[in-house]
Amino acid sequence: NAGVTQTPKFRVLKTGQSMTLLCAQDMNHEYMYWYRQDPGMGLRLIHYSVGEGTTAKGEVPDGYNVSRLKKQNFLLGLESAAPSQTSVYFCASSYLAGAYEQYFGPGTRLTVT
Amino acid sequence: AQSVTQLGSHVSVSEGALVLLRCNYSSSVPPYLFWYVQYPNQGLQLLLKYTSAATLVKGINGFEAEFKKSETSFHLTKPSAHMSDAAEYFCAVSTGGGNKLTFGTGTQLKVEL
Repeated sequence: NAGVTQTPKFRVLKTGQSMTLLCAQDMNHEYMYWYRQDPGMGLRLIHYSVGEGTTAKGEVPDGYNVSRLKKQNFLLGLESAAPSQTSVYFCASSYLAGAYEQYFGPGTRLTVT
Repeated sequence: AQSVTQLGSHVSVSEGALVLLRCNYSSSVPPYLFWYVQYPNQGLQLLLKYTSAATLVKGINGFEAEFKKSETSFHLTKPSAHMSDAAEYFCAVSTGGGNKLTFGTGTQLKVEL
């Protein structure tokens, strides 16, 4: 099993450009999540999904959109990138919420200039 | 609402010394508690979790944590630090159902010779 994979690993964007980050999991998990990690702030939830075809806002959703057309994939989009979106982005998945652990991908380092 | 406080953003110990990383939580209902570790340039991986069974939880790599309801704490310990333990450690809380994980801001552990 590959677990949770993320594409790409690194990306540099100019302000105003758009991009999509892809997350894939092969564990048949229902829940998927997108986080951003910034120094001294821990991980903050951007959006999440509780199943195929569903999405919901997390703690810091502004400037991002998501889609979950297939159970195994969760896409994070930036329509018009801003320097404040420079961060490391992590995708995670879990069987359910609550007591179930989340499995994390290796991360995508995004720089917006 | 749920929250996590990790005291000490940086902790330094000598190799062979006790490791103690502090985590306090706030939750209006019985929580599920997690410790994750992040090695440089990697995603997070689960060290251990508390899900209302035994209050002393043993995890991987010799780590353990004790749930103390009266102190609302879930501190992480390891009797003898190893150089390979140098990493960032995150405490997280979930209150079950559809609730998501809330992460602390992390503690960077440095192990010195």
